[in-house]
Amino acid sequence: NAGVTQTPKFQVLKTGQSMTLQCAQDMNHNSMYWYRQDPGMGLRLIYYSASEGTTDKGEVPNGYNVSRLNKREFSLRLESAAPSQTSVYFCASRSLAGKQETQYFGPGTRLLVL
Amino acid sequence: DQQVKQNSPSLSVQEGRISILNCDYTNSMFDYFLWYKKYPAEGPTFLISISSIKDKNEDGRFTVFLNKSAKHLSLHIVPSQPGDSAVYFCAVGAGTALIFGKGTTLSVSS
Repeated sequence: NAGVTQTPKFQVLKTGQSMTLQCAQDMNHNSMYWYRQDPGMGLRLIYYSASEGTTDKGEVPNGYNVSRLNKREFSLRLESAAPSQTSVYFCASRSLAGKQETQYFGPGTRLLVL
Repeated sequence: DQQVKQNSPSLSVQEGRISILNCDYTNSMFDYFLWYKKYPAEGPTFLISISSIKDKNEDGRFTVFLNKSAKHLSLHIVPSQPGDSAVYFCAVGAGTALIFGKGTTLSVSS
């Protein structure tokens, strides 16, 4: 049981390049999330998917697209990277076991846009 | 405007003493509250949570207190250990998503 996995761990892009961040969970969770973490800004929600086949914008969706490929996988795409998208990106999935809700996070992808 | 505020960016505590981390929120409709812990180069990990029907929840050395009238949440760590040194995020449940505070960096010295 690997939990939430993310690839790649680290990526350097040039301005204007595109890339897709991959996320997978093996906990059979319905909801999945993409956050970005910037210094002094905490975790900000980019997009989320409440269930397979649905996606919704979060607080900072501009410049990103997402795909909920199946129940396990939720990818984040940057079509034309900008230096402002330099950040650490975390994927998470949500458990509603019993009455306790929590989100489980992946290890993060560090993205540098030059 | 921030819906979840952690007004202390950092906190330093000696080993064995109590650490108290604070969090304020703006919307009285929030009904679920969580604390996450994050080490450098790792993802956040769930620590403890509390629902709005309770005012206290304990798990070992960690206790979360909720004051709904003041819209205030606190995390107490007793006794603090050097391994507790990390960034602590407060989060509130808002429907399907969580809203996070900016975090407090806790340093526990031995």
